[in-house]
Amino acid sequence: NAGVTQTPKFQVLKTGQSMTLQCAQDMNHEYMSWYRQDPGMGLRLIHYSVGAGITDQGEVPNGYNVSRSTTEDFPLRLLSAAPSQTSVYFCASSYSTNQPQHFGDGTRLSIL
Amino acid sequence: DQQVKQNSPSLSVQEGRISILNCDYTNSMFDYFLWYKKYPAEGPTFLISISSIKDKNEDGRFTVFLNKSAKHLSLHIVPSQPGDSAVYFCAASGGANDYKLSFGAGTTVTVRA
Repeated sequence: NAGVTQTPKFQVLKTGQSMTLQCAQDMNHEYMSWYRQDPGMGLRLIHYSVGAGITDQGEVPNGYNVSRSTTEDFPLRLLSAAPSQTSVYFCASSYSTNQPQHFGDGTRLSIL
Repeated sequence: DQQVKQNSPSLSVQEGRISILNCDYTNSMFDYFLWYKKYPAEGPTFLISISSIKDKNEDGRFTVFLNKSAKHLSLHIVPSQPGDSAVYFCAASGGANDYKLSFGAGTTVTVRA
């Protein structure tokens, strides 16, 4: 089973460039989310979706856009990358609330 | 302001002994709590959860205890094994009506042979 698949695994960008981080899940989960992990801060929620066509902001949404056109895919867009967005990004999905979220292996993003 | 806190950044324990990881939260609306385990270069993996209607949940070597009045939960690993060396994250949500998870900063566990 593939579970949650994130691409790419690594990426280096220059300040001001745009980028889309891909996330796909094959478990037919309604709920999907994006987190960023920074040293000493755990994971922080960027955006989440409770179903196709429905998205909402998390704790740190500024500088990021999302859309959910299908149940399977939940891409995260950086419109104009900034060095402060250097981080490891994780996508997660779950069947419903009160169910554990399943995580992908992350995308390590560096912005110079 | 961090609503879930893991005040011990690291823990070293001898193989076969008990590992106790602690987590405190400030939001009284949290009613679903989880522990995740993370190895380097991998995503977090779900370990065990507990809802606020319980004070204990057990799964093999892993037991989570919840003290709602103290807003505190702990994870016990007995006995600790070398493969348990990882970063452990505590997380919480508002339960059935809230999908959003708030995470602690993590505790790095090292199991010594």
